[in-house]
Amino acid sequence: DGGITQSPKYLFRKEGQNVTLSCEQNLNHDAMYWYRQDPGQGLRLIYYSQIVNDFQKGDIAEGYSVSREKKESFPLTVTSAQKNPTAFYLCASSPMTGGGQPQHFGDGTRLSIL
Amino acid sequence: AQSVTQLGSHVSVSEGALVLLRCNYSSSVPPYLFWYVQYPNQGLQLLLKYTTGATLVKGINGFEAEFKKSETSFHLTKPSAHMSDAAEYFCAVVTSGGSYIPTFGRGTSLIVHP
Repeated sequence: DGGITQSPKYLFRKEGQNVTLSCEQNLNHDAMYWYRQDPGQGLRLIYYSQIVNDFQKGDIAEGYSVSREKKESFPLTVTSAQKNPTAFYLCASSPMTGGGQPQHFGDGTRLSIL
Repeated sequence: AQSVTQLGSHVSVSEGALVLLRCNYSSSVPPYLFWYVQYPNQGLQLLLKYTTGATLVKGINGFEAEFKKSETSFHLTKPSAHMSDAAEYFCAVVTSGGSYIPTFGRGTSLIVHP
């Protein structure tokens, strides 16, 4: 079955450390997204990519970086510059065939500070 | 610019009672509208969507929503709540003709009492 796989499910970050969250999809979708979810704040867009080797900042990109070297993969790095990284991170994908296409989501990675 | 307001961060109902989750949107052009459901420690799953055509949209698990342009609303309903409906629900809007990046509401937590 096609879908989105996020790993790891739980991740712990030490002070001053960069960590990378993995997101892989086999849906052949062009667009991929990273969201941060905090209680009571809904989903906030970190970065998105609509084509390989290109990506755009979302609303809260500071302290994060991404790459899109393959259509299937869109890893997110939480850098040491992100001072409050504790959150639930969701990866999503969608076809680029108009706004009526829903997003498909992975099951998330929960990041905590040690 | 597009925005979404979900009235009520928490809604509590008894099992068997009507479920009504409210969503109002703001969009200067015809919108695409979505409802998603999220169970604990999981990603979002599509419940239903409105693109064009019939304004009453039926989704999975007995949910439906009605697009009312005059009221800029897309409220989610279910005639009879089940314990398994307890989850977080998100409304999202995508503006046609734009970058097709959705804007999500802050979510409504549905609590179902036996």
